[in-house]
Amino acid sequence: DQQVKQNSPSLSVQEGRISILNCDYTNSMFDYFLWYKKYPAEGPTFLISISSIKDKNEDGRFTVFLNKSAKHLSLHIVPSQPGDSAVYFCAASGVGSARQLTFGSGTQLTVLP
Amino acid sequence: DVKVTQSSRYLVKRTGEKVFLECVQDMDHENMFWYRQDPGLGLRLIYFSYDVKMKEKGDIPEGYSVSREKKERFSLILESASTNQTSMYLCASSRGQGEFGFGPGTRLTVT
Repeated sequence: DQQVKQNSPSLSVQEGRISILNCDYTNSMFDYFLWYKKYPAEGPTFLISISSIKDKNEDGRFTVFLNKSAKHLSLHIVPSQPGDSAVYFCAASGVGSARQLTFGSGTQLTVLP
Repeated sequence: DVKVTQSSRYLVKRTGEKVFLECVQDMDHENMFWYRQDPGLGLRLIYFSYDVKMKEKGDIPEGYSVSREKKERFSLILESASTNQTSMYLCASSRGQGEFGFGPGTRLTVT
């Protein structure tokens, strides 16, 4: 049973527009959430994170929003650039599993020039 | 920056062979992990270790074992490789509940 779900396997966006990637989780013990970006033939790289005590965290063009009541988080990229084209993984950790990250299945983002 | 290295980028092995995947990190992290990445399934945790000589099963440990004799090194072992173990294998390390640093991955093909 997937505890972290990314229901959109792919997303295409025009350069300069906003990209919104979504993630849902089922485990209410999760209290720390991260987004990773992965290019082909490379390991994932950390992008941005958010603790459950916050509902928003921003870093340059990247903003993560957390809705605890809905068990939903989203990553906004504004403006989107062709170099953002990659697979984006949502991940979560929490009480009782603090050393592990549980990942979603990923969303392939394509930014069209 | 966390530096995690993996011994091979690409490996081709035959069914039934014993396969060793090595991972080394240089940040003195106590936690190390092995994941596999498959299309549509994301990253799935195979094994992890939070200290030397300690290991814990992840979500899909069957067919794998691990070894952690030194803090900086975490090895994944396929005792008898099978075709369904063809995958991208990713090693990661972390300190506490902090962000993970990942290695570049090993693309393993079992024929």
